[in-house]
Amino acid sequence: SQQGEEDPQALSIQEGENATMNCSYKTSINNLQWYRQNSGRGLVHLILIRSNEREKHSGRLRVTLDTSKKSSSLLITASRAADTASYFCATVVMNRDDKIIFGKGTRLHILP
Amino acid sequence: DGGITQSPKYLFRKEGQNVTLSCEQNLNHDAMYWYRQDPGQGLRLIYYSQIVNDFQKGDIAEGYSVSREKKESFPLTVTSAQKNPTAFYLCASMAHTGGGNTIYFGEGSWLTVV
Repeated sequence: SQQGEEDPQALSIQEGENATMNCSYKTSINNLQWYRQNSGRGLVHLILIRSNEREKHSGRLRVTLDTSKKSSSLLITASRAADTASYFCATVVMNRDDKIIFGKGTRLHILP
Repeated sequence: DGGITQSPKYLFRKEGQNVTLSCEQNLNHDAMYWYRQDPGQGLRLIYYSQIVNDFQKGDIAEGYSVSREKKESFPLTVTSAQKNPTAFYLCASMAHTGGGNTIYFGEGSWLTVV
């Protein structure tokens, strides 16, 4: 079964707007990571947030983590056409070190 | 350059045949993973290995087999027992975590049953 569940499944916004994606998970985690995938390609790491952190920034990316709600959000500010991709959250499961589970992803489409 | 290499990029399999997908990494990572991705879907874990000569089943291991004889290599065999093998397969690796390391992906292999 999937550990992470992103929502929305798909999102279309105008270029320049902000995009927010959410991820929920089920078990206790060591950390949560966000990845990006262009169609037919491998995944590229975006940002990692540890279980004892609440917010993290990297360029136009902002990630939050709420361990009490078992949820995370990824905000992409000032979106660009090149941000069009699928975005996945991944969790490293506590007490099963090195087992990483991915969600189903959010397909983001930036409209010109 | 350091990275993960998957081959072949595209593979066609006849029904009843076994096929093996190659995954090699020169990142000196201990952990390696195989995921399956169906069109428009997320990644599902097939097998993973934390150390040479050891591996664990993921969520959808039936019909697949792996080996980890060398740290650099983690080949995946899709056997004839896998009834619906057409998919995109992704290999990944990660240094032993302690909870904070990043997973690196290959570019994937497309497998089609004909």
